[in-house]
Amino acid sequence: DQQVKQNSPSLSVQEGRISILNCDYTNSMFDYFLWYKKYPAEGPTFLISISSIKDKNEDGRFTVFLNKSAKHLSLHIVPSQPGDSAVYFCAASPQGGKLIFGQGTELSVKP
Amino acid sequence: GAVVSQHPSRVICKSGTSVKIECRSLDFQATTMFWYRQFPKKSLMLMATSNEGSKATYEQGVEKDKFLINHASLTLSTLTVTSAHPEDSSFYICSATLDSQVGQPQHFGDGTRLSIL
Repeated sequence: DQQVKQNSPSLSVQEGRISILNCDYTNSMFDYFLWYKKYPAEGPTFLISISSIKDKNEDGRFTVFLNKSAKHLSLHIVPSQPGDSAVYFCAASPQGGKLIFGQGTELSVKP
Repeated sequence: GAVVSQHPSRVICKSGTSVKIECRSLDFQATTMFWYRQFPKKSLMLMATSNEGSKATYEQGVEKDKFLINHASLTLSTLTVTSAHPEDSSFYICSATLDSQVGQPQHFGDGTRLSIL
């Protein structure tokens, strides 16, 4: 039972264009959503989060949008850079600090 | 800040061996540490939540006697895979958080690649 889903295993984008990574969830009780970035052989690093009471949070080139009615969130990266190439995980936080992760989307930004 | 160190980064050992993995928060005191397991091309699956000084809380389907977790101090948690078998081969990652409240980001170690022959 996958409560957090990233249906696109991979995404390829040209440098300078926008990258849009999508995530769907099933549990309406999730309070916080987070995005992590992961390079091979390294642990995930925190990127950006959003509370369920908001619909948008922006931090530099990264913006996360939350659509609660659709149980959908997305991460926008603009402009995309080659160094952004990594696996991106969305995660939901129900309670107690636990995180439930999606399967990840591998982003490739081509020069 | 918020650096988490995990050791060792890679272990290769024979079936039946017990393997200990350490997770340390280097520049902060972690009230809560988490242990995850990741299979190739799959999500990070939470195995257990560890609070300093108390017993770990295991997720459904995770064997407590197989995966022993000790969180003896605010900066160190250990995961011991007891009598490891090839099916235990995986990528194990720990994370730590200063505050276990909802929405607080977890800071991850770089993971341990465990290979059981």
